[in-house]
Amino acid sequence: DSGVTQTPKHLITATGQRVTLRCSPRSGDLSVYWYQQSLDQGLQFLIQYYNGEERAKGNILERFSAQQFPDLHSELNLSSLELGDSALYFCASSVAAQGAPYGYTFGSGTRLTVV
Amino acid sequence: GQQLNQSPQSMFIQEGEDVSMNCTSSSIFNTWLWYKQDPGEGPVLLIALYKAGELTSNGRLTAQFGITRKDSFLNISASIPSDVGIYFCAGQVLKAAGNKLTFGGGTRVLVKP
Repeated sequence: DSGVTQTPKHLITATGQRVTLRCSPRSGDLSVYWYQQSLDQGLQFLIQYYNGEERAKGNILERFSAQQFPDLHSELNLSSLELGDSALYFCASSVAAQGAPYGYTFGSGTRLTVV
Repeated sequence: GQQLNQSPQSMFIQEGEDVSMNCTSSSIFNTWLWYKQDPGEGPVLLIALYKAGELTSNGRLTAQFGITRKDSFLNISASIPSDVGIYFCAGQVLKAAGNKLTFGGGTRVLVKP
C-alpha cells in the first residue's frame, strides 16, 4: 500500500457522461498530481495542486477539471466523455510543491472505460 | 515541450541475465528517476538521482545520471522472473511554479519463452 488512495478502482460509463475520480494523498503530502495513461502508453501529466492551489498544468483537456480540497484530497472531473478518454488515471502525491527529493508516490489508479 | 526517449521499447530477459535500458532528452533535467509499474498497479519509485555523474544502486539495480544531465541508464543484474514489468524513466526540472515529472515511453521487460 503506497498510502495514496484512489477511488473507484474501475469505472465504466457511456459517452457524453461525466465522472469524478477521487484521490487521497499520502499523510503529510501537500502536492497532488494527476496523470493519464492510455493503453500501452507512457504517463501524461494533466495537472498539479499544492495545498489547495493549482501549481502546474499539462495537456489537460478543457472538458477535464480538478480541484484540491482543504483536507487535501483531490478530485478529477471528466465531462462529455469520449471513447478516447478510456485510460488509467493515476494520482500521485509528494510532500513539497517541488516533488523532489523522493519523487512522487503513486496510487493504484482508476481504470476508466468509456463505452 | 520536453520529451524523453526511452529505449528499448521492449526486451526479453532470461533468468540470470544482465539487462540495460536508457533514456535521453533534448533538454537538461535536475533530477532523474526510475520507476517500475506492475500490471494493474501504479508506478513505484526504484531509484532517484540528483547529481550529474551520480551512480546509485538499489539491490540488483544500478542507475546513473549522465554527465550532460540529458540522459540516464538503468541496469538490472542477474534478472529474475519478478523483474518483469514496465520500467519508466522520468526527468524533473525544479521550478518554484511546480514540478511535473516528464516520463519516458517505458521499457516493457518480458520473459523469454
